[in-house]
Amino acid sequence: AQKVTQAQTEISVVEKEDVTLDCVYETRDTTYYLFWYKQPPSGELVFLIRRNSFDEQNEISGRYSWNFQKSTSSFNFTITASQVVDSAVYFCALSEAIYSGGYQKVTFGTGTKLQVIP
Amino acid sequence: EPEVTQTPSHQVTQMGQEVILRCVPISNHLYFYWYRQILGQKVEFLVSFYNNEISEKSEIFDDQFSVERPDGSNFTLKIRSTKLEDSAMYFCASRYSPVGGGAGEQYFGPGTRLTVT
Repeated sequence: AQKVTQAQTEISVVEKEDVTLDCVYETRDTTYYLFWYKQPPSGELVFLIRRNSFDEQNEISGRYSWNFQKSTSSFNFTITASQVVDSAVYFCALSEAIYSGGYQKVTFGTGTKLQVIP
Repeated sequence: EPEVTQTPSHQVTQMGQEVILRCVPISNHLYFYWYRQILGQKVEFLVSFYNNEISEKSEIFDDQFSVERPDGSNFTLKIRSTKLEDSAMYFCASRYSPVGGGAGEQYFGPGTRLTVT
């Protein structure tokens, strides 16, 4: 069974502050994928990142960065210099790999609602 | 940029009625999915579909639900007899399969908000 826990239900920060969204996952598989999705107030799901369990390198994309630590089963997401447009619900998600190297169902966490105050 | 589309954006139906939610996945994608999100809750997997058959389904996906790819472009989710608790946002997603295997991105459609009254 796979499980994703996002303990932070809601976070409020003032614009330009840095913020880290926590994600802890559980899986019995050795090969899996981790994701972050953004859901703005308009409701769509916007893909942010996918990581393979074999790739523990941290990643930076503009103001976004991700810290993958297999030892603690965590995949945290940091937004640097937050902006009002970052206000959204952010979902961490997990999928176990299948034989072809792909994946099937994605298990989502409960989401963290981020409010960036101007 | 190619995208997954879903119609309608909002569907209101009466309890007990059948509904069909429609999705047009990205054209070169081979894996198709339905998820649902009850208001204010997390996104939940319903079913995955590959090679014209269901490859995995969740416990939510009971006999009231069915999926179909009636032609080369559409992917549909049918709910036979809707219940109040079926009210949710339904997301379709599709994923390509890279040459040689491996993962590809799962792209989500904008969702269909289903309201059962």
